[in-house]
Amino acid sequence: DAGVTQSPTHLIKTRGQQVTLRCSPKSGHDTVSWYQQALGQGPQFIFQYYEEEERQRGNFPDRFSGHQFPNYSSELNVNALLLGDSALYLCASSSIQGGGNQPQHFGDGTRLSIL
Amino acid sequence: RKEVEQDPGPFNVPEGATVAFNCTYSNSASQSFFWYRQDCRKEPKLLMSVYSSGNEDGRFTAQLNRASQYISLLIRDSKLSDSATYLCVVILNTGFQKLVFGTGTRLLVSP
Repeated sequence: DAGVTQSPTHLIKTRGQQVTLRCSPKSGHDTVSWYQQALGQGPQFIFQYYEEEERQRGNFPDRFSGHQFPNYSSELNVNALLLGDSALYLCASSSIQGGGNQPQHFGDGTRLSIL
Repeated sequence: RKEVEQDPGPFNVPEGATVAFNCTYSNSASQSFFWYRQDCRKEPKLLMSVYSSGNEDGRFTAQLNRASQYISLLIRDSKLSDSATYLCVVILNTGFQKLVFGTGTRLLVSP
């Protein structure tokens, strides 16, 4: 049973470009959350998707957008990349039936470097 | 003030030592509490949940003090393999599964 999978593993972009990161949730999970982890910091919540809609959003600009597909997989899009967007981007999945207080399990992450 | 605060360390301890990490959270509406472990350049992995009654998993003991809004993790008989960053995590009572992380405490266990 595959856990959370993310692609690509690593990505290098330049300022101003756009990037799309992908996540497939653990089997049986229907909710996907995205986090950004800068070097030396804890992960920061970007947003969460359920039933193909954004349920909640953290303090990130509109350059960060997402999508969830009918098969529960999700994409994170970042436009007009800045140097400060260099980070590890983590995807976590969970099941809405598990309630709002369950821990989440993360994918391996995508390491994004902006030159 | 940060929602979840931790001492970033590093904590340098010899093998076999006992080490304790502390964490404070600012929002009294926080509902659930966890410790995650993160190895260098890897994803965070759930270490254990934290309950008001305190809970133990082998060499690891977690405690929660809701009145003081304080969470702790105790590691006994440290192993070299315990070297990692330990992240304190809370879930606010929003109905959404939004994890709020501390910056993490780095532990280095030496021979």
